[in-house]
Amino acid sequence: AQRVTQPEKLLSVFKGAPVELKCNYSYSGSPELFWYVQYSRQRLQLLLRHISRESIKGFTADLNKGETSFHLKKPFAQEEDSAMYYCALESGGSYIPTFGRGTSLIVHP
Amino acid sequence: ETGVTQSPTHLIKTRGQQVTLRCSSQSGHNTVSWYQQALGQGPQFIFQYYREEENGRGNFPPRFSGLQFPNYSSELNVNALELDDSALYLCASSLNLGSGSPLHFGNGTRLTVT
Repeated sequence: AQRVTQPEKLLSVFKGAPVELKCNYSYSGSPELFWYVQYSRQRLQLLLRHISRESIKGFTADLNKGETSFHLKKPFAQEEDSAMYYCALESGGSYIPTFGRGTSLIVHP
Repeated sequence: ETGVTQSPTHLIKTRGQQVTLRCSSQSGHNTVSWYQQALGQGPQFIFQYYREEENGRGNFPPRFSGLQFPNYSSELNVNALELDDSALYLCASSLNLGSGSPLHFGNGTRLTVT
């Protein structure tokens, strides 16, 4: 069975500091991986997906199949990055994402 | 374009009752997924509908049932409510099946079972 683990429930950093939100997955096939974000009083929305190899709002995420990880990184955190971040895994052909429990990122001024 | 809308926003029910939650998908989207999110947890997949057919189901008992209509709106029905059913229920639509179609979420329905 596929599983997504986000080991940190809360990550607290100061503005300008680097950020890394961890995501590990278990799946034997080729996964599709996503990061979703929920800002305060807003709905859950897609931040980025690994197949696009894009950088959104300064965030990047690299799929490491050897370590089965898809960590989300940003070199310099901003206060507006404070939000709940969810890593999600879609197994090949299912088109149904499995979500991790989420990490709350707080960026202090 | 109109986003995903869910109704009602809040609901209080008594154990043993039945509830129907509704979701209007984003314009042009033919796939709807339902998730249950308990406090402090990530969204848990309930089921997905594609063009009015169930495309997949999570580890939820049969008293959780759903429906998708020809206009691609959807309902989630829960019978014989239990206290543990108290949660935020999220509906998400996508343009089509496939990882190229990300989920677009509604604001959710907060269900409280007493």
